[in-house]
Amino acid sequence: TQLLEQSPQFLSIQEGENLTVYCNSSSVFSSLQWYRQEPGEGPVLLVTVVTGGEVKKLKRLTFQFGDARKDSSLHITAAQPGDTGLYLCAETSGSRLTFGEGTQLTVNP
Amino acid sequence: DARVTQTPRHKVTEMGQEVTMRCQPILGHNTVFWYRQTMMQGLELLAYFRNRAPLDDSGMPKDRFSAEMPDATLATLKIQPSEPRDSAVYFCASGLGASSGAETQYFGPGTRLLVL
Repeated sequence: TQLLEQSPQFLSIQEGENLTVYCNSSSVFSSLQWYRQEPGEGPVLLVTVVTGGEVKKLKRLTFQFGDARKDSSLHITAAQPGDTGLYLCAETSGSRLTFGEGTQLTVNP
Repeated sequence: DARVTQTPRHKVTEMGQEVTMRCQPILGHNTVFWYRQTMMQGLELLAYFRNRAPLDDSGMPKDRFSAEMPDATLATLKIQPSEPRDSAVYFCASGLGASSGAETQYFGPGTRLLVL
């Protein structure tokens, strides 16, 4: 089981700011998923990235998979309070998911 | 709007008591997962089933935990006897299974367990 490291662990910003969070591994990902978890709820899938160098956009969220498939980033443009939550990356191996510890994002109005 | 449902949402019990958590997967999903989330360990896979058969329970303490799927619409996770270190949020997720590549898992709202 590879170790997934997410950074930063906590991030508190003002509405309108941009931010980037990171997910790194000691070995190559087969594929990677990003989830957002709101308080009192389960994680919700945002995106799956499979190919090295892949970039996917979801409204104000941009996901990038490193060329070597050992790292990934999530960039949020013009953050809004509704973006507040725990952002989790997960390495996929068939049906198994191995999660990182997450980045807790707070966007203040 | 199809969702995974879990009951109870909250449970407070005393050490030594039996705890049963229930999950209703999304209709038509053939894969069911149980996860545990704590501040210290994060989100960990405990076990998962496909077509009601257990495929992997390597993440589950065998001496006190058991997971079953009595039918396709119900999954249960039981702890007997419970201990304070079992305090966590337990999530159920379901999916359609992936023949190749990554599977999409749909998570329930969780059962928040506190063992005193």
